Amino acid sequence: GENVEQHPSTLSVQEGDSAVIKCTYSDSASNYFPWYKQELGKRPQLIIDIRSNVGEKKDQRIAVTLNKTAKHFSLHITETQPEDSAVYFCAASMGLTGGGNKLTFGTGTQLKVEL
Amino acid sequence: NAGVTQTPKFRVLKTGQSMTLLCAQDMNHEYMYWYRQDPGMGLRLIHYSVGEGTTAKGEVPDGYNVSRLKKQNFLLGLESAAPSQTSVYFCASSSLKAGGQYNEQFFGPGTRLTVL
Repeated sequence: GENVEQHPSTLSVQEGDSAVIKCTYSDSASNYFPWYKQELGKRPQLIIDIRSNVGEKKDQRIAVTLNKTAKHFSLHITETQPEDSAVYFCAASMGLTGGGNKLTFGTGTQLKVEL
Repeated sequence: NAGVTQTPKFRVLKTGQSMTLLCAQDMNHEYMYWYRQDPGMGLRLIHYSVGEGTTAKGEVPDGYNVSRLKKQNFLLGLESAAPSQTSVYFCASSSLKAGGQYNEQFFGPGTRLTVL
């Protein structure tokens, strides 16, 4: 099955700096790569996603890049703010027979934005 | 519009007891999923359903059973709880729109289960 590795496990940055989180996946059939943000005690929430036919996607301060050949994708957060502090999960997905998608998650990155 | 809800929020069981976790969604989503989240291990798929009356095994199905008798509900059962099943359980749902494989999964608030 699919295996997703995520690095680093913890990341501390100064407010205003950029943060980069990297993930690799093993199954070349994966075609959808969402990123979720989870605040302490809360549910995971989607912040950005990318499909396999796209190399880069940006939404305000957040961007995701995908390298299909190398099977890796990255989350970039610019101008970090204290409210960006949370755990971030990457995931790789392929379609299910009958519809829907089967997400395999990375182990998470605890991002801390310091004042 | 409540989205995805889960019942109960917290539960403590003794080894060998049984229980059922309820997930409900009011978004008319076709697909539903159960995950468990353990420290340092991310979220792992337990079982999923691609429609009313259908269920399938995910990555870590052992010790769990599921049922989807109604489209809006997805139940997760533990027949004989073990300490290894201590975890936070999340339910999620996603829509059928455009085939469904690129659609966002919306998560419920989670159930924190402790098995003593």
